Amino acid sequence: EPEVTQTPSHQVTQMGQEVILRCVPISNHLYFYWYRQILGQKVEFLVSFYNNEISEKSEIFDDQFSVERPDGSNFTLKIRSTKLEDSAMYFCASSRASGAAAGTQYFGPGTRLTVL
Amino acid sequence: GESVGLHLPTLSVQEGDNSIINCAYSNSASDYFIWYKQESGKGPQFIIDIRSNMDKRQGQRVTVLLNKTVKHLSLQIAATQPGDSAVYFCAENSALANAGGTSYGKLTFGQGTILTVHP
Repeated sequence: EPEVTQTPSHQVTQMGQEVILRCVPISNHLYFYWYRQILGQKVEFLVSFYNNEISEKSEIFDDQFSVERPDGSNFTLKIRSTKLEDSAMYFCASSRASGAAAGTQYFGPGTRLTVL
Repeated sequence: GESVGLHLPTLSVQEGDNSIINCAYSNSASDYFIWYKQESGKGPQFIIDIRSNMDKRQGQRVTVLLNKTVKHLSLQIAATQPGDSAVYFCAENSALANAGGTSYGKLTFGQGTILTVHP
């Protein structure tokens, strides 16, 4: 069964450093997403991406964040200058379509980001 | 010391019992609802979904009920097993994501409920 994969599983970084979180969505999916989950809290939407551009982003997704689909399989989230409060689990998700029209989102296992 | 994070609702059941997990959603424009299961250290796993033109949908051992009048969603798990122990999240998808009325799939997650199944 195809699944979303993410690397690394755990990333430790110093405050102010840049990090890139990587995802390989399910191969025939067209919509890609990043969410984050601070420890003990609910999952929060960051950004959605379709047709090589951002479709929607949340207030969390400020200028320090960027996403890219550098090739036909990878989808990355970059945090330019990490802050302590960026420590969280980051989940990538993908779907064939969006909204009520068969938009089931399948999530990867997550990358735990720890900012020291 | 001071606690950090939300105190999630909890539900403890015996193996073999039926479980009912509830969720209230906020956006009356939401047209698609999903239940996810999250085990410790893993990503949310899709369980079942329902569209707003339905009020009930059944899967294998799971049933989702939607009451749009009171904006309430529930997940029923029949014959609950220890492997069902996890945090369960409801999520909603709004049909009107922007002024153009096109949804791009942003999911808004609920708070989560911790289900513990005792053997």
